[in-house]
Amino acid sequence: DIVMTQSPDSLAVSLGERATLNCKSSQSVLYSSNNKNYLGWYQQKPGQPPKLLIYWASTRESGVPDRFSGSGSGTDFTLTISSLQAEDVAVYYCQQYYSTPRTFGQGTKLEIK
Amino acid sequence: QVQLVQSGAEVKKPGASVKVSCKASGYTFSTYAMHWVRQAPGQGLEWMGWISAGNVNTKYSQKFQGRVTISRDTSANTAYMELSSLRSEDTAVYYCARDGGGSSGYGHFDYWGQGTLVTVSS
Repeated sequence: DIVMTQSPDSLAVSLGERATLNCKSSQSVLYSSNNKNYLGWYQQKPGQPPKLLIYWASTRESGVPDRFSGSGSGTDFTLTISSLQAEDVAVYYCQQYYSTPRTFGQGTKLEIK
Repeated sequence: QVQLVQSGAEVKKPGASVKVSCKASGYTFSTYAMHWVRQAPGQGLEWMGWISAGNVNTKYSQKFQGRVTISRDTSANTAYMELSSLRSEDTAVYYCARDGGGSSGYGHFDYWGQGTLVTVSS
């Protein structure tokens, strides 16, 4: 199984500041035949289902604000929120869909400082 | 618009089974794979298994092998997840999630149901 490890477990950032969340996979999720990273990022607010933010490691889902961006390749990935807004307080999960079982990171809890 | 609407909360006794439904609308149900994910109280997301678009293949997490059955009824645009031999540790919110990769089954989870709370208690 591919193990997904996120860091940090929790993060407090001031409003308007940049937030950087990291995700590392135990093996590469880059599929060489199409050069795509099978990595997604999700946001989950209390009492709600997860919401897709980023897929293929860097493609923003329709309707997601452009302050959210994804980067990385192979085994190391980053979700960046360029200017934190109050509504961004949530838990963020990365997930690999390169192989079965699909696996999620343990989550990063993002709060306002 | 795409919607996944799940069945209501359930309370079950240890040893019993539960079957959760996920009714899809707003897209061609038969052309997308479907996954099931659960979340225990205060915990992270745990993938349970999936069913392919054509209802040909299922694959389950080793953790649930032998206890979980995922199925779909294309005529009713509904997917199902049945978990048997319930124990207290199965208390969780169960989600269905559409595979955005379409029939390939190797895509991100682009739409999620609202979740179904299953409580296992004697």
